[in-house]
Amino acid sequence: EAGVAQSPRYKIIEKRQSVAFWCNPISGHATLYWYQQILGQGPKLLIQFQNNGVVDDSQLPKDRFSAERLKGVDSTLKIQPAKLEDSAVYLCASRKQGRENEQFFGPGTRLTVL
Amino acid sequence: SQELEQSPQSLIVQEGKNLTINCTSSKTLYGLYWYKQKYGEGLIFLMMLQKGGEEKSHEKITAKLDEKKQQSSLHITASQPSHAGIYLCGADTVADSWGKLQFGAGTQVVVTP
Repeated sequence: EAGVAQSPRYKIIEKRQSVAFWCNPISGHATLYWYQQILGQGPKLLIQFQNNGVVDDSQLPKDRFSAERLKGVDSTLKIQPAKLEDSAVYLCASRKQGRENEQFFGPGTRLTVL
Repeated sequence: SQELEQSPQSLIVQEGKNLTINCTSSKTLYGLYWYKQKYGEGLIFLMMLQKGGEEKSHEKITAKLDEKKQQSSLHITASQPSHAGIYLCGADTVADSWGKLQFGAGTQVVVTP
């Protein structure tokens, strides 16, 4: 079974530029999560989808971050404009429906904002 | 204060020795996950615990959940260089959260020869 795929793996941009990250979850996983992990900290949830609907985006900085999950499969996370403090690893995770199921993570995208 | 506290923050263990990492939640646990992370990489799923008193083992790693204390421990027996990395606990602490996780800050494990 293929794992969670993310691209790109690394991205370097200047502040005020825009950037987008892509995630392809494990086939059949209805729930998809985007986390932000700042160096030295644990991941922090940004947004959670159930199929193509948002169930929790309470910690998403909506003035600059946006995310979508069209057709309930792939998802994109966008930052526009980026700030220095957005430098982090952005992790995508997915799980089958039902909290008794494991949550699996992708390799992450490391973003550096200069 | 942190919802999820991990201890220790880091530890150095000699190859062949045992080690234990603890994770304590300030909220009710509906599920407790353990992951391992290599620097700059994604999280590798180790174990998930959901029931009080539950204990799971995989190879040389054992995790336990004490529901009453809202605490979990991860124990590695006879550590090897492959056990080096950052260990993260993630907790499902909201009754109808669709399984979103709060994470601890992680424990860095270094295994010396």
